[in-house]
Amino acid sequence: DAGVTQSPTHLIKTRGQQVTLRCSPKSGHDTVSWYQQALGQGPQFIFQYYEEEERQRGNFPDRFSGHQFPNYSSELNVNALLLGDSALYLCASSFFRTGISSYNSPLHFGNGTRLTVT
Amino acid sequence: SQKIEQNSEALNIQEGKTATLTCNYTNYSPAYLQWYRQDPGRGPVFLLLIRENEKEKRKERLKVTFDTTLKQSLFHITASQPADSATYLCALGPSNTGKLIFGQGTTLQVKP
Repeated sequence: DAGVTQSPTHLIKTRGQQVTLRCSPKSGHDTVSWYQQALGQGPQFIFQYYEEEERQRGNFPDRFSGHQFPNYSSELNVNALLLGDSALYLCASSFFRTGISSYNSPLHFGNGTRLTVT
Repeated sequence: SQKIEQNSEALNIQEGKTATLTCNYTNYSPAYLQWYRQDPGRGPVFLLLIRENEKEKRKERLKVTFDTTLKQSLFHITASQPADSATYLCALGPSNTGKLIFGQGTTLQVKP
């Protein structure tokens, strides 16, 4: 049973360029969330996709956009890269639960894409 | 604004002792709190979830407490081992969403 897979593992880009990161969720999961983790910091929520739509968004500019495909895989796109975008980008999948319970399934993270902007 | 604080300094303890990590939060009323472990170069791995109406949760050598009055969670690892050395992240979330707010993490070093 494959866990969350992300590609590529490392990427070096130049300021002003655009980048696309990819994520395949854990088998059986239908929700994908993206996080940015700067060195020495905790992950920061970028956005979440469910049923191919962006459901929630964190405090990130419109340069950050995403997509979810019918097979639940997802892409994160960042335009006009800045030096400050250098970070570990983490994808996390979960199973969306509805109903009376307020329980939310734990997130399963991939090992991330290390993006370096020079 | 919402704020989560974990021990910023690394925690160094001797093998066999109990490690206690702290997570404090302000300006937030989470429905649940989660703890994750992160090894260098890897993504976080889920350890435990505790809901707002639970005071304590255990899993093998791990124990988590959640005090919504103090706005604090304590994470304990009993009989610690060098393999427990890692960064531990606490994360708070509302109900039925994947939007977790993470602390900056505490690095634990267990010495043999």
